Amino acid sequence: DVKVTQSSRYLVKRTGEKVFLECVQDMDHENMFWYRQDPGLGLRLIYFSYDVKMKEKGDIPEGYSVSREKKERFSLILESASTNQTSMYLCASSLASGSSYNEQFFGPGTRLTVL
Amino acid sequence: GDSVTQMEGPVTLSEEACLTINCTYTATGYPSLFWYVQYPGEGLQLLLKATKADDKGSNKGFEATYRKETTSFHLEKGSVQVSDSAVYFCALSDLGDDKIIFGKGTRLHILP
Repeated sequence: DVKVTQSSRYLVKRTGEKVFLECVQDMDHENMFWYRQDPGLGLRLIYFSYDVKMKEKGDIPEGYSVSREKKERFSLILESASTNQTSMYLCASSLASGSSYNEQFFGPGTRLTVL
Repeated sequence: GDSVTQMEGPVTLSEEACLTINCTYTATGYPSLFWYVQYPGEGLQLLLKATKADDKGSNKGFEATYRKETTSFHLEKGSVQVSDSAVYFCALSDLGDDKIIFGKGTRLHILP
């Protein structure tokens, strides 16, 4: 069974802390994505990676960075967490474009609360 | 740029009622269209897809037809169940683009 796993389901951090969210996929997918999901705003793309060490900014990259040192792992980093980063964070992966369609497979999400 | 607009929720129906969730899109190319579903406490999963005009995607009793003339991809089900309670996202992806553009989601509540 194909899987995208995220390191934590729930996380509580304090303002100013450095936060790492980890995502691992076992499908040998080239692409990996980080989204945040907020009520009334749907899913918004934070960062996208199309290969190891390659990344592209999404719609809302401010306050976030990412790391992809291995193909199966994509990390989201909040350098200095703020209360407005309290949200649900979803990781996804997909094959590279050129496939017949590029379905994304999602992890279960990490609900982050910043106090 | 490309965009997806879907009806706002929440939508509340009784079990066995008919469901339609409207979705329209704006795209410059020839996108593939998707419906994703998010059950409580889970991530999104693909429900159905259509890759060209007049294609019908179907899964678990849900259907949606790719209508190029009206730029729509409405989700329908003839008889909903309590287990269909979830958030439904309409989405599109342009040919050759790795990114997917999602609508804001529609929360569906089915009452027993």
